[in-house]
Amino acid sequence: GENVEQHPSTLSVQEGDSAVIKCTYSDSASNYFPWYKQELGKGPQLIIDIRSNVGEKKDQRIAVTLNKTAKHFSLHITETQPEDSAVYFCAAYRASQGNLIFGKGTKLSVKP
Amino acid sequence: NAGVMQNPRHLVRRRGQEARLRCSPMKGHSHVYWYRQLPEEGLKFMVYLQKENIIDESGMPKERFSAEFPKEGPSILRIQQVVRGDSAAYFCASFPGNSGNTIYFGEGSWLTVV
Repeated sequence: GENVEQHPSTLSVQEGDSAVIKCTYSDSASNYFPWYKQELGKGPQLIIDIRSNVGEKKDQRIAVTLNKTAKHFSLHITETQPEDSAVYFCAAYRASQGNLIFGKGTKLSVKP
Repeated sequence: NAGVMQNPRHLVRRRGQEARLRCSPMKGHSHVYWYRQLPEEGLKFMVYLQKENIIDESGMPKERFSAEFPKEGPSILRIQQVVRGDSAAYFCASFPGNSGNTIYFGEGSWLTVV
C-alpha cells in the first residue's frame, strides 16, 4: 500500500521568511496530492492540491510542486505570517483504491 | 470544511459504554471516510464507505468498531465498550466519488473516555 513520508516534523521561521515542507510517496499509481492545514481543535482544511498531470500550482503565497519521477511533492509558503502557524499535512490519493493516505504532519511556528 | 457536519463535537463516555459519532457529508457527496487522530499525532485512515456499502475497512480495529452509511441519514461510526485508548478526535471527510474532486473534512468529534 501507499506510504507517505513528511519532513520536517517541526519548522520554526521568522515572520516574512519562506517555509518549505517536503513529502515523498511510494505508490507510483497515486495521482492526487492535497495539502491540509489544521489549527488546534479544528478539522483539516484543504489549502492547495495538485494532480499528477501538473508539475506546479500556485495560489497567492502558497505553492506546491510535484516531481512524479522522484515521487516527491513540496509545499512552499512565502512571506509567512503568524496566522500561518498550524500543523500541515500532505496526503496522497490513488483513485483505484480510494484511500487518502497522510504524512505525519509538520508543526509550523511563525515567530513575529 | 463547510458542509461536512459532524456531531457531537465533544463526547464523554465511561469505560464500557458505547459511543456513536455521526457524519453528514456535503450535499451531493456519496462517499465518506473516517479518520482517527490521537493527541499530537497524524490522521489514520479507518474506513471508506459509499452509501449502503463498505468499500475499505482495512484501518478499522477488528473488534468493537463498526461503521455504516445508510441510504438515508448520516454515516455512523460506532465504538462499543469504549476503553481509554479510544480517546481521540474522529474526523469524517466526504467527496462525490469522482476522483477528480477534492475531499473535505468536518470539524471532528472529540471522544474522551473516563
